[in-house]
Amino acid sequence: KQEVTQIPAALSVPEGENLVLNCSFTDSAIYNLQWFRQDPGKGLTSLLLIQSSQREQTSGRLNASLDKSSGRSTLYIAASQPGDSATYLCAVADRGSTLGRLYFGRGTQLTVWP
Amino acid sequence: DTGVSQNPRHKITKRGQNVTFRCDPISEHNRLYWYRQTLGQGPEFLTYFQNEAQLEKSRLLSDRFSAERPKGSFSTLEIQRTEQGDSAMYLCASSLGAAMNTEAFFGQGTRLTVV
Repeated sequence: KQEVTQIPAALSVPEGENLVLNCSFTDSAIYNLQWFRQDPGKGLTSLLLIQSSQREQTSGRLNASLDKSSGRSTLYIAASQPGDSATYLCAVADRGSTLGRLYFGRGTQLTVWP
Repeated sequence: DTGVSQNPRHKITKRGQNVTFRCDPISEHNRLYWYRQTLGQGPEFLTYFQNEAQLEKSRLLSDRFSAERPKGSFSTLEIQRTEQGDSAMYLCASSLGAAMNTEAFFGQGTRLTVV
């Protein structure tokens, strides 16, 4: 069974810092990996989708990389802002499942203070 | 708003009551998923619909849970005889296409509190 782990569980940084959030998964047979943002009590907002054949994706200040063979992904946030404060979730679509269901990590809770 | 819509946003119910949640996926998205998220955890898969057919149910989905997607459009998730352990955020997601590598879009969730 696919297991997804996110490190660190929580991170608190001053505004302006560059950040790296880590995600690892146990089975490299995946269709894709998605990074989501979740604000307290809210649903999930998709940030970046990396297909299994891709190495990275970028959107604004966000850059996500994927090393499928080692089962790792990183989300890089440049020049962090207080508005980036949220929980960031990593999820993989496992090829062992024919249905496209996602396996999630527990998330990294990020706090950016002014 | 053309995103995934879930109603209600919040539901407080007494133990033993039945509740029903609704999900309206993005128009023309043929795949629909329900997930459950408890505090401090990532979402966990509950069930999956391709058009109107329910193709998989997780072991998390006890016989008190039932989901439908009539006509392949909106979906409902019903919980009968609610228990305190059912308290969670229920999330709906939809995606488009036959391939399994397409992006999933989530709704804002329904927060259920069983008292």
